[in-house]
Amino acid sequence: SQQGEEDPQALSIQEGENATMNCSYKTSINNLQWYRQNSGRGLVHLILIRSNEREKHSGRLRVTLDTSKKSSSLLITASRAADTASYFCATDSVGGSEKLVFGKGTKLTVNP
Amino acid sequence: DAGITQSPRHKVTETGTPVTLRCHQTENHRYMYWYRQDPGHGLRLIHYSYGVKDTDKGEVSDGYSVSRSKTEDFLLTLESATSSQTSVYFCAISVGEVRHEQYFGPGTRLTVT
Repeated sequence: SQQGEEDPQALSIQEGENATMNCSYKTSINNLQWYRQNSGRGLVHLILIRSNEREKHSGRLRVTLDTSKKSSSLLITASRAADTASYFCATDSVGGSEKLVFGKGTKLTVNP
Repeated sequence: DAGITQSPRHKVTETGTPVTLRCHQTENHRYMYWYRQDPGHGLRLIHYSYGVKDTDKGEVSDGYSVSRSKTEDFLLTLESATSSQTSVYFCAISVGEVRHEQYFGPGTRLTVT
């Protein structure tokens, strides 16, 4: 069963706008990760946030984590057409980080 | 793709035939994973391995078996393929012993007719 659920399922924006995707999960975690998948390709790791962190930045990416609400958000600032992809959150469990459970993803389209 | 290759990349097979997919890594990482990706279901874990000859089941393991006789190779076998196993299969490795970020291969598109 899916641990993480992304919202929205699909998002269409114009180049230069910000894109925000949300992830909710059900059980306590050690870490939460975000991945990107371009059409027809494997997933690419973007960023990991630990359960004791509230916010993390990497380039144009900003991830927040609210463990009290069991939710995370991924913000992509100043989006580009090349950001068009599906984005997945993945969670581990307090019992062990070696297995991840992926959500169903948010499909982001950035229009030039 | 972090030194991960999958073979074959595409395969069409008939119902009832055995199929083996291969994942190969070049960096001696301990953890390897097989996932399937289907529309509406996202990515689901089939089996994973935490060392040579050490494997465990994932969420959707029925109808699949795995073997890992060498650190670099992780094989996924469909003993008797069914149409419900038509999917895209991804292999992944974990590069962190604590944080477990995963790196994915390019995928194998399997069609069972």
